[in-house]
Amino acid sequence: EAEVAQSPRYKITEKSQAVAFWCDPISGHATLYWYRQILGQGPELLVQFQDESVVDDSQLPKDRFSAERLKGVDSTLKIQPAELGDSAMYLCASSLLGGVNEQFFGPGTRLTVL
Amino acid sequence: RKEVEQDPGPFNVPEGATVAFNCTYSNSASQSFFWYRQDCRKEPKLLMSVYSSGNEDGRFTAQLNRASQYISLLIRDSKLSDSATYLCVVARTGNQFYFGTGTSLTVIP
Repeated sequence: EAEVAQSPRYKITEKSQAVAFWCDPISGHATLYWYRQILGQGPELLVQFQDESVVDDSQLPKDRFSAERLKGVDSTLKIQPAELGDSAMYLCASSLLGGVNEQFFGPGTRLTVL
Repeated sequence: RKEVEQDPGPFNVPEGATVAFNCTYSNSASQSFFWYRQDCRKEPKLLMSVYSSGNEDGRFTAQLNRASQYISLLIRDSKLSDSATYLCVVARTGNQFYFGTGTSLTVIP
């Protein structure tokens, strides 16, 4: 069964450092999402890509966060500099096309900022 | 007002019990509705889509009331393996998903 891949699975960093997360969606999925999930809350969308284009990044803290999907396949989310409040699970999801289709999630990257 | 509101629980029920979760959404333009299941420290996985006519999958029944903007999930004959957090999800055009905070269920032996 095809899966969304993410790495690393866990990341511990000190505040003010830079971190990067990688996601490889299910093959053929045009839409890719990055979510942040704080413990006890539901996932919140950070950025949505359709192929290589950003569709929605209205909730992305652009002063410190950046995301790219240069070739419309895999994607990288970067935080620089990391802050204590960034500690969370970062989830990547993909879906086949637009419309309202099931999203498939990767295992996530659990970030701890010390 | 939040897009999706759920009772966070926790719900602690004995094996074999029937338990119901409710969810309300604020935007009447919402088009699709889902329940996702999330195990502790794992990713969310689709449990079932929710259709206007209501739908059933084994022990799970989902209902949608568009007029009241209300979604429910009923679990019958609860199993220990049903222990998880259940996320109510509402989607709009462009496949924008809005998640509730999740309802925590623990099934007790």
